[in-house]
Amino acid sequence: DVKVTQSSRYLVKRTGEKVFLECVQDMDHENMFWYRQDPGLGLRLIYFSYDVKMKEKGDIPEGYSVSREKKERFSLILESASTNQTSMYLCASSFGRFFAGTDTQYFGPGTRLTVL
Amino acid sequence: GNSVTQMEGPVTLSEEAFLTINCTYTATGYPSLFWYVQYPGEGLQLLLKATKADDKGSNKGFEATYRKETTSFHLEKGSVQVSDSAVYFCALYAGGTSYGKLTFGQGTILTVHP
Repeated sequence: DVKVTQSSRYLVKRTGEKVFLECVQDMDHENMFWYRQDPGLGLRLIYFSYDVKMKEKGDIPEGYSVSREKKERFSLILESASTNQTSMYLCASSFGRFFAGTDTQYFGPGTRLTVL
Repeated sequence: GNSVTQMEGPVTLSEEAFLTINCTYTATGYPSLFWYVQYPGEGLQLLLKATKADDKGSNKGFEATYRKETTSFHLEKGSVQVSDSAVYFCALYAGGTSYGKLTFGQGTILTVHP
């Protein structure tokens, strides 16, 4: 079974802190994604990566950055956390575009971040 | 652009009732279509998928048929259980150079009472 793990289930940080959210997958997937989920807004894509050191902006990249130094690990960074970044953050991964099944994403359990 | 529209919730049913959650989409070409489910406190899990017109995806008693003529992928279950209470997301994958990106609907909250 595909396993996507996230470093924390719950996280509480203060305004202005630098926050790191880590995601690791064990299926050698090329693609990795970060979403945030808010009531009434569904899932919104923040950033995604289709290869090591490659990254692309999603729909709401402002206030976030990402890092992918190794294939299995994709980090989301909040450079200076703000209260409006309080949310559920979900990581996902999928096979690369030249593989069958590239369309299916596998999700981690999520990190509920609260910024005070 | 691509988009997915789900029926607005929340949906509240009694156990053993029939469930339909509507999903329609807009996309160019021939997208793959998905239903994901999110149980309380968890991430999303793939429930079922269909990759071409008239395909029927099924899993755990849930079914959805890819209808190209109506651009729909409605989720159905004949008899829901309390354990089906969750948030359900319809999604599409447009292929091409999208690098595996999915377009999600807003999600529909389902609550099933005993």
